[in-house]
Amino acid sequence: QKEVEQNSGPLSVPEGAIASLNCTYSDRGSQSFFWYRQYSGKSPELIMSIYSNGDKEDGRFTAQLNKASQYVSLLIRDSQPSDSATYLCAVMSRSGGSNYKLTFGKGTLLTVNP
Amino acid sequence: GAGVSQSPSNKVTEKGKDVELRCDPISGHTALYWYRQSLGQGLEFLIYFQGNSAPDKSGLPSDRFSAERTGGSVSTLTIQRTQQEDSAVYLCASSLYGGQLAFFGQGTRLTVV
Repeated sequence: QKEVEQNSGPLSVPEGAIASLNCTYSDRGSQSFFWYRQYSGKSPELIMSIYSNGDKEDGRFTAQLNKASQYVSLLIRDSQPSDSATYLCAVMSRSGGSNYKLTFGKGTLLTVNP
Repeated sequence: GAGVSQSPSNKVTEKGKDVELRCDPISGHTALYWYRQSLGQGLEFLIYFQGNSAPDKSGLPSDRFSAERTGGSVSTLTIQRTQQEDSAVYLCASSLYGGQLAFFGQGTRLTVV
């Protein structure tokens, strides 16, 4: 069973602070890692992807990957109330033949307080 | 359209009836995923299609659930003899190739009464 674990939260940060979201995964063969944002009542929206060890920055978002520790994180700098949402960590793995499986964590609820 | 399109947006059905949910992936995308999200829960994998390969059906919860993908494009998820526990949002995602970035449709909210 390939698992992706996240703290469910809620994580509450003040406006302007850095929000740090963490994720661990069980399948060492996992190849690709994604962060999705899901507003209440909406479908998941892809915000970051990362494929190799290290940091990847995109605007206020930084994804960090450590394959040795099987750990992925998302940092949100200068958090805004509009960042309040559930953040889903997703891990892509081969599941046999030409098939892939995209496994999601249960998500971390982030609340940014004005 | 430019994105993944799902229909209907909402479906209310009586227990025991069959339902069909449709997903139209982004044009040219060869991989297609179906997920289910119950209220307040995470995304539960249902089925994966990749081109003309045999689909990965390992996530289908029972034999009442089936899915097909015609011509490598549109997919239909069918739930037979619906039960109240089938009530959830059914999400479809597609990617250009397997293992690539996956983009979601807006989902179909299914309510079984």
